[in-house]
Amino acid sequence: RKEVEQDPGPFNVPEGATVAFNCTYSNSASQSFFWYRQDCRKEPKLLMSVYSSGNEDGRFTAQLNRASQYISLLIRDSKLSDSATYLCVVTKPNSGYALNFGKGTSLLVTP
Amino acid sequence: DAMVIQNPRYQVTQFGKPVTLSCSQTLNHNVMYWYQQKSSQAPKLLFHYYDKDFNNEADTPDNFQSRRPNTSFCFLDIRSPGLGDAAMYLCATSRTGAGANVLTFGAGSRLTVL
Repeated sequence: RKEVEQDPGPFNVPEGATVAFNCTYSNSASQSFFWYRQDCRKEPKLLMSVYSSGNEDGRFTAQLNRASQYISLLIRDSKLSDSATYLCVVTKPNSGYALNFGKGTSLLVTP
Repeated sequence: DAMVIQNPRYQVTQFGKPVTLSCSQTLNHNVMYWYQQKSSQAPKLLFHYYDKDFNNEADTPDNFQSRRPNTSFCFLDIRSPGLGDAAMYLCATSRTGAGANVLTFGAGSRLTVL
């Protein structure tokens, strides 16, 4: 089983739609969780950290379910500029400061 | 602006010809990472340093080596590149303590192997 798994998509949605991405992780001892955004042929950039109680940043909401080892990202009112790949990132326990990435979920927002 | 700089941005090499990729940072972060990312795949951690402590991933081939001579610089050496090593190599840094594990990436070095 992969350490971090995501539905690769692609998700094609119209502008203004709400879209949700899911991520599961295999090691229950993982402590920190993040969503990164990666544009085509560019480096990943932090979108948001994911906190246990859930957190929101504008149109973006992240949720963590430790019992199910599941992380989600909700994007409301999608913009064309949201088109990118969204990467789920999880710390690797007992491995120093190692972080593992999911393969990413591709989002295309269309006019 | 504090940042992570990778050189070269594009590297073309011949099969078996050694390559060195460099990464420098002005963030004064303790931790530096090297990831390999192939097309449509997840970034794969090769190794990371916490200060001078080197942490190699179990599945990183011996063909990949790294050096961190000081806090600011880290190098990735590919001793004998094969066609399968063609990829984007991403350097990242993070701090420890408050804000730990948040990665700041360089723009990447794209390696082509002929």
